[in-house]
Amino acid sequence: EAGVAQSPRYKIIEKRQSVAFWCNPISGHATLYWYQQILGQGPKLLIQFQNNGVVDDSQLPKDRFSAERLKGVDSTLKIQPAKLEDSAVYLCASSPQVNVPGNTIYFGEGSWLTVV
Amino acid sequence: AQSVSQHNHHVILSEAASLELGCNYSYGGTVNLFWYVQYPGQHLQLLLKYFSGDPLVKGIKGFEAEFIKSKFSFNLRKPSVQWSDTAEYFCAVKRSGGYNKLIFGAGTRLAVHP
Repeated sequence: EAGVAQSPRYKIIEKRQSVAFWCNPISGHATLYWYQQILGQGPKLLIQFQNNGVVDDSQLPKDRFSAERLKGVDSTLKIQPAKLEDSAVYLCASSPQVNVPGNTIYFGEGSWLTVV
Repeated sequence: AQSVSQHNHHVILSEAASLELGCNYSYGGTVNLFWYVQYPGQHLQLLLKYFSGDPLVKGIKGFEAEFIKSKFSFNLRKPSVQWSDTAEYFCAVKRSGGYNKLIFGAGTRLAVHP
């Protein structure tokens, strides 16, 4: 079974520039997540989709971050304009359904962003 | 707000030593509990999970964890570590049901010396 695919793996940009990350979840998974992992910290949820609808974006800095999952499959996360503190690994994850007990979330390898 | 605490940020062990990594969470209701592992250069992988039943959960590679509800804890254990266990370990908690988010601890970096 193919895992969660993410691209690009690495990106270096200057502050105030924009960047976009792409994610393709495991086939058939209804729920898609974007997490931000800053060095030395655990992953923090930015946004959660159920199919193509947003169910939690409470920790997404909406003045600069946006995400979409138009057809309920793959997703993009955009940052514009980037700040130095956005340097982090952006993890995409997916799970089959949200209300199943013991539902496991599967993670991609992450997109490493450095803002200089 | 719900939170997860991992007591040790860095642990250094020799091969064959026993391992216990602490994890405590703050939510008082029904929870699902997880341990994820991240080997160097790899993605987060599920080590084990608890959602109901026997509070002693066995996972992959000889790891186990015990859910103690009265202590809000879900500590990870392994009787004898190997060099290949060198990784970062994350405890995570999710309130049971609905769209509740998975909350991660800050992680524990484990280094096992041969």
